[in-house]
This record gives sequence, C-alpha cells and structure tokens, in this order.
Amino acid sequence: QSVLTQPPSVSAAPGQKVTISCSGASSNIGNNFVSWYQQLPGAAPKLLIYEAAKRPSGIPDRFSGSKSGASATLAISGLQADDEADYYCGTWDSRLSAEVFGGGTKLTVL
Amino acid sequence: QITLKESGPTVVKPTQTLTLTCSVSGFGVSGSGVGVAWIRQPPGKALEWLAVIYWDDDKYYSPSLKSRLTVTKDTSKNQVVLTMTNVDPVDTATYYCARRRWRKFYFDYWGQGTLVTVSS
Repeated sequence: QSVLTQPPSVSAAPGQKVTISCSGASSNIGNNFVSWYQQLPGAAPKLLIYEAAKRPSGIPDRFSGSKSGASATLAISGLQADDEADYYCGTWDSRLSAEVFGGGTKLTVL
Repeated sequence: QITLKESGPTVVKPTQTLTLTCSVSGFGVSGSGVGVAWIRQPPGKALEWLAVIYWDDDKYYSPSLKSRLTVTKDTSKNQVVLTMTNVDPVDTATYYCARRRWRKFYFDYWGQGTLVTVSS
C-alpha cells in the first residue's frame, strides 16, 4: 500500500484535458516538493514535473503541476496518443526519512 | 551527457545476497550535493524507493527493508553498489538507479533498469 494515493486509472479522448491527483500528508506533500514521472510501456520512468510545478527542459507545456496543502495534481492538456503511460507522483517523507511514491495512474487515450 | 547504467545478475536464488552496481557518467558520485538512489518495480506494480547515498557518504534506507540493504559508493570507479541480503521471490523486480541531488526532491536522471528474478 503506497504512502501517496493516486487513482488507478484515468482516460480521455485525444485533444482533451485530464488530471491526475496525488494525495498525501503533512509529513510528505504538505511540507515537501512533489515530482511527477511518466513511464512509457517498457521504459524507465522519466521526470515530468519537479518542485510541484516546474518542467525539465524538453517537457512540453501541455504538462502542468500544482499543489494545494497535502495534495498535488498533474494536468495534461491536448492529449495525444503517445501520452498513454503510467504516471507516478513522489516526494520525501520527513517522518519516515524516506522517499515515497504513489501507486501509479494508468492513462488511457481513448 | 549524464547516464546511469545498472548491472548485476538476472537470476538469484532465494536466501542469497543480491549485489547490483550503478555505473554513472557525466557526473561524479562524490560531487558536491550529488546523490544516487535505488528504486525498484515488481512486474506490473508501482515504484518502490530502496535507498540513497550522497556525496558525503550520508545514507538513507527504506524503513521496511533497512535491515537487508547496504549502499556504498566507489569514487575511483564512479559507481554505486546496492547489496540486498536474504532475497525472496517477492524481491523479483526491475531495479533502477537514479540521480538525486541534496535538498532537491526529485530524480532527474534514471538508468534503464535491470530485471532481477529470484527463483530456485
């Protein structure tokens, strides 16, 4: 059972917008920055969003992140077929002194 | 160009000790603020963080696996080594190493991963 809670799956049609939530606690998301990772089928995870809302070089602005209290959200607009992947949130948990991840969300582009 | 690459056995027998090596290039494992972490993913399951070692040899371990894990670094080879004792079939997973920097709450570069199967 993951420390951070994500919905198992989300889906939307091409061109639409989808959001993925990540719920935690004051010891993790509430007081530390959240990162998001995209894992395409058969590939290693790739950093998508860091410090809750920043994008690494090369990540399109269709991907955005936000945080409110002990929850974070990843939004993907203008959905494309190759956005189909698993998405994970992660952060440091100060109480556990450990990195924690969500259970992952499978995005299906209909 | 920053790269990380995991290496180690593909099959390990139950109760044996697993040793994995992460070879990095493009940065030094002893560079100020640098950390290298190990993360695993059982087939079809979520990511699980295992451990991290920083440039100054500071280390953190997953609370649930702490008694079985040891992480070290070899500065001369620019490698980080993870040792897991007493493996079990539930430890079957793809093991990744990734770079993390001090006070930066994200992994910016990942290795391709190596699949380890625990089976007799």
